[in-house]
Amino acid sequence: QSVLTQPPSVSGAPGQRVTISCTGSSSNIGAGYDVHWYQQLPGTAPKLLIYDNKNRPSGVPDRFSGSKSGTSASLAITGLQAEDEADYYCQSYGSNLSGWVFGGGTKLTVL
Amino acid sequence: EVQLLESGGGLVQPGGSLRLSCAASGFSFRNYAMMWVRQAPGKGLEWVSGISGSGDSTYYADSVKGRFTISRGNSKNTMSLQMNSLRAEDTAIYYCARREGVIKSSAMDYWGQGTLVTVSS
Repeated sequence: QSVLTQPPSVSGAPGQRVTISCTGSSSNIGAGYDVHWYQQLPGTAPKLLIYDNKNRPSGVPDRFSGSKSGTSASLAITGLQAEDEADYYCQSYGSNLSGWVFGGGTKLTVL
Repeated sequence: EVQLLESGGGLVQPGGSLRLSCAASGFSFRNYAMMWVRQAPGKGLEWVSGISGSGDSTYYADSVKGRFTISRGNSKNTMSLQMNSLRAEDTAIYYCARREGVIKSSAMDYWGQGTLVTVSS
């Protein structure tokens, strides 16, 4: 069981908007630690998608956005494309000696 | 261009040992903390271990504490993970990753392609 909770799956049609939630606790996200998001395309290594809650690394389309509030964070993807079909993971840091923590991952299916 | 290349994975019997390596290039290695993250077959990501840029500070997940040892050689731009007393549940792809900032909660901005470790008799 992961420290951060994500829905196992989400889906949407091309062009639609989807959101993926990431719920933590007062020991990690709620303690003020930043949330990061990673995209893992099938058969590849994870890739940083959003860092420090809402920032996009160079090269990441602005269709991807992140937010954080309280003990939760969200990843939003607008204008869904077939190439967005992947697993998405949130990650933060835990102050209770748990170290670096990940969500269980969310599989995005583009219908 | 930042590159991270893992090696050393393979098949090992339960109770055995294995040493993974991560060769880094394209950045000032000694200035960055590094991490090991693993992914069991069909499962999610799990942080395993981390080491500061100087190598003075090391961190371990409870699941590997006392069995795994992380180290780095800044003169050779390499990081290693010595894995002892391996268990079936250690079977996973092991990724090395760079931590992008100086604070512990910084993101892991570059990842290697991973090396597969299989623990089975």
